Amino acid sequence: DIQMTQSPSSVSASVGDRVTITCRASQGISSWLAWYQQKPGKAPKLLIYAASGLQSGVPSRFSGSGSGTDFTLTISSLQPEDCATYYCQQAHSFPLTFGGGTKVEIK
Amino acid sequence: QVQLVESGGNLVKPGGSLRLSCAASGFTFSDYYMSWIRQAPGKGLEWVSYISSSNFTIHYADSVKGRFTISRDNAKNSLYLQMNSLRAEDTAVYYCARDQFPPNPEYGMDVWGQGTTVTVSS
Repeated sequence: DIQMTQSPSSVSASVGDRVTITCRASQGISSWLAWYQQKPGKAPKLLIYAASGLQSGVPSRFSGSGSGTDFTLTISSLQPEDCATYYCQQAHSFPLTFGGGTKVEIK
Repeated sequence: QVQLVESGGNLVKPGGSLRLSCAASGFTFSDYYMSWIRQAPGKGLEWVSYISSSNFTIHYADSVKGRFTISRDNAKNSLYLQMNSLRAEDTAVYYCARDQFPPNPEYGMDVWGQGTTVTVSS
């Protein structure tokens, strides 16, 4: 199974700050990676597909990069509505696996 | 609008069974590959099972293999998860979700239901 490791597990930043979340796969997954945002009590929401594709309707302050084993989700200017937990997910092979999540809070 | 609605969650005793349903609307259900994903209280997301549009391809997480069965009825626009031999560790919110651009899983899961809660406890 492919293990997905996210870091940090939580981050506290000020409005307007740049926030970076990393996700590392235990083996190469090309660009077969998605990022999701989940707010408390809600279903996850797709933000980024194929490592760097911005999902329709998602603000352009969100971006994804990487390939192989190392990936990054960046929020260029943190907004209050971005408070949530973020998950990466590999789609390279079954079983599909998610990272452990990164909780983003406003300082 | 495009929507997935889960139902069937309940409180069940260990060793019991439950059948979850996911009703799709607003899109051509038979074109899409579907997954079940669960989230235990206070924990992260765990993928559970996957089915292709025509039932040809099915996958399970090791944690549920042999106990859970995924199926779909394209005529009824519905996805199912039959859960047998339930354990306390199966307690979670269960979501159904669709692949955005099958058969290309790298495009992610773009539509999710609101979730249904399964509690396994004596």
